[in-house]
Amino acid sequence: GAVVSQHPSWVICKSGTSVKIECRSLDFQATTMFWYRQFPKQSLMLMATSNEGSKATYEQGVEKDKFLINHASLTLSTLTVTSAHPEDSSFYICSATPGQTYEQYFGPGTRLTVT
Amino acid sequence: GQNIDQPTEMTATEGAIVQINCTYQTSGFNGLFWYQQHAGEAPTFLSYNVLDGLEEKGRFSSFLSRSKGYSYLLLKELQMKDSASYLCAVRGTSGTYKYIFGTGTRLKVLA
Repeated sequence: GAVVSQHPSWVICKSGTSVKIECRSLDFQATTMFWYRQFPKQSLMLMATSNEGSKATYEQGVEKDKFLINHASLTLSTLTVTSAHPEDSSFYICSATPGQTYEQYFGPGTRLTVT
Repeated sequence: GQNIDQPTEMTATEGAIVQINCTYQTSGFNGLFWYQQHAGEAPTFLSYNVLDGLEEKGRFSSFLSRSKGYSYLLLKELQMKDSASYLCAVRGTSGTYKYIFGTGTRLKVLA
């Protein structure tokens, strides 16, 4: 149980285009999902917290107009990187929690490369 | 402010024991987690401490001292497959219970 999927697992896009990453909880309802980014050899940096049916809460320094987050249902959250630039190339990881439980369940990550 | 520190890299020998330390200063505390992450993969859960003391789980143990803002992860009988990054994360007490991750420790196990 407690499986989280991400799609796509990797994506290459051209500078200036937008790319959408999906995060799904497969066998539980996720009231809260989190989006992280991770640069090589660095730790996870929380970008935003997404609650179903409400606007995402962004961490300081994360541009909400550039990283659009939609948590449309209890099993799906999406992150759209708009007008991508090479510096947006990173490993994006989502996690989900089925309410106020002690653990977050992580997706397998999405490697984004912007050329 | 929020600050979680870990050593950047550690090296140990197969079969040995290694202790990875984590010190934290956070505005709230609602549990400390250890995760293992292999390169290019998502973190996998290892252990959770919310009360002071030692939690043992097979070859892995984790210790917490809330008064000292300190935790460690102990790995016994090291295997080559234990070569990975180990992340310490503190869960806050805000309504969303978000995690703050430490800098991560890259462990290299040598034959």
